Amino acid sequence: QVQLVQSGAEVKKPGSSVKVSCKASGGTFSSYTISWVRQAPGQGLEWMGRIIPILGIANYAQKFQGRVTITADKSTSTAYMELSSLRSEDTAVYYCARIVPAARIGAFDIWGQGTMVTVSS
Amino acid sequence: VIWMTQSPSLLSASTGDRVTISCRMSQGISSYLAWYQQKPGKAPELLIYAASTLQSGVPSRFSGSGSGTDFTLTISCLQSEDFATYYCQQYYSFPWTFGQGTKVEIK
Repeated sequence: QVQLVQSGAEVKKPGSSVKVSCKASGGTFSSYTISWVRQAPGQGLEWMGRIIPILGIANYAQKFQGRVTITADKSTSTAYMELSSLRSEDTAVYYCARIVPAARIGAFDIWGQGTMVTVSS
Repeated sequence: VIWMTQSPSLLSASTGDRVTISCRMSQGISSYLAWYQQKPGKAPELLIYAASTLQSGVPSRFSGSGSGTDFTLTISCLQSEDFATYYCQQYYSFPWTFGQGTKVEIK
């Protein structure tokens, strides 16, 4: 059974960067597509981007373009999301999620447990 | 960007009720739509994808319908464990976007 386990909570200063990891187990990591979704306290869900590890190709939401980098290490079955130039509005729970492994489907069937990132001076 | 209008934002219902949640798109997305359930402090769970395909393990009281711009999630007989927040999500074009959410609360 595929599981995604994320790194622990982070507290960061404004202007700094954060890198969150997402380790996959129980499946073939290189065949997945992994997305990152965030949720500010009391708010809805926001898609940030995705990566196709086998191709090393990433796509990002325009809102985060230039500030977010999504990477994947096939050797350790781990995906990463790095967000730079942090501001208070980036305070949120960050989730990694696997995209349903079927053609033309962009729905997320397996989610990590979430990583709380707090940006505060 | 495809904008999504999800309604209602709050729905008060009783166990056993039939409830429907609507999701309307700013442009047509064929059937590239998913529905999720989220409980407090937990990650969302996939209920339906491709507008009407039930995810494995999801109870059959959940169903989805629609295509183009108008979609509906129906819970045929609300159970106690169904009180949660529900989101729609389009994956027709980047950026993938979510609806604002519908909280289903006990009446």
